[in-house]
Amino acid sequence: AQSVAQPEDQVNVAEGNPLTVKCTYSVSGNPYLFWYVQYPNRGLQFLLKYITGDNLVKGSYGFEAEFNKSQTSFHLKKPSALVSDSALYFCAVRDFNQAGTALIFGKGTTLSVSS
Amino acid sequence: IAGITQAPTSQILAAGRRMTLRCTQDMRHNAMYWYRQDLGLGLRLIHYSNTAGTTGKGEVPDGYSVSRANTDDFPLTLASAVPSQTSVYFCASGTAGPGELFFGEGSRLTVL
Repeated sequence: AQSVAQPEDQVNVAEGNPLTVKCTYSVSGNPYLFWYVQYPNRGLQFLLKYITGDNLVKGSYGFEAEFNKSQTSFHLKKPSALVSDSALYFCAVRDFNQAGTALIFGKGTTLSVSS
Repeated sequence: IAGITQAPTSQILAAGRRMTLRCTQDMRHNAMYWYRQDLGLGLRLIHYSNTAGTTGKGEVPDGYSVSRANTDDFPLTLASAVPSQTSVYFCASGTAGPGELFFGEGSRLTVL
């Protein structure tokens, strides 16, 4: 079965420093990978996706993610964190082996950026 | 463009009562989904629909039912609510391809 793991419940970083939010996956077949962000009392907003092609994917708000097939990872990165980046981040894989083709989510990582 | 509209935004419900959460999309997506979000558990799939007229069970379907009479609407019904169904419920939609899903703003349900 497809699955996603986010090993860190919380990541703390100072404003201006680079940030990384980790994600590893387990899939059979081609991985279709996604990052979403959730601000308090809001829905999930799409940040970026890896479908095929370049391993470095660029997304919204200056975020990027690196797909690493050998390490089965898809870590989210940003060169310089902002206080406004503080939110809950979800990694997900789209499961095409099941009839629902739904997104399977990790448990989420809370990013806290201090000024 | 509204995207996905969920109603109600928030509801407090007595145990044993019936409740329907509404979801409407205006993107003409074939596939729609219901998730519940609980602290420490992330989002878990309740039910899905690949196209109008068809539905399927997700990871946590017990106590919930759905219908998909047309492309735009995908209501979620709790026939007899229990306290363990206290959660935030998100509706989502997407195409049949490998692209992203689009989410509503959520419905916060408290069952007492």
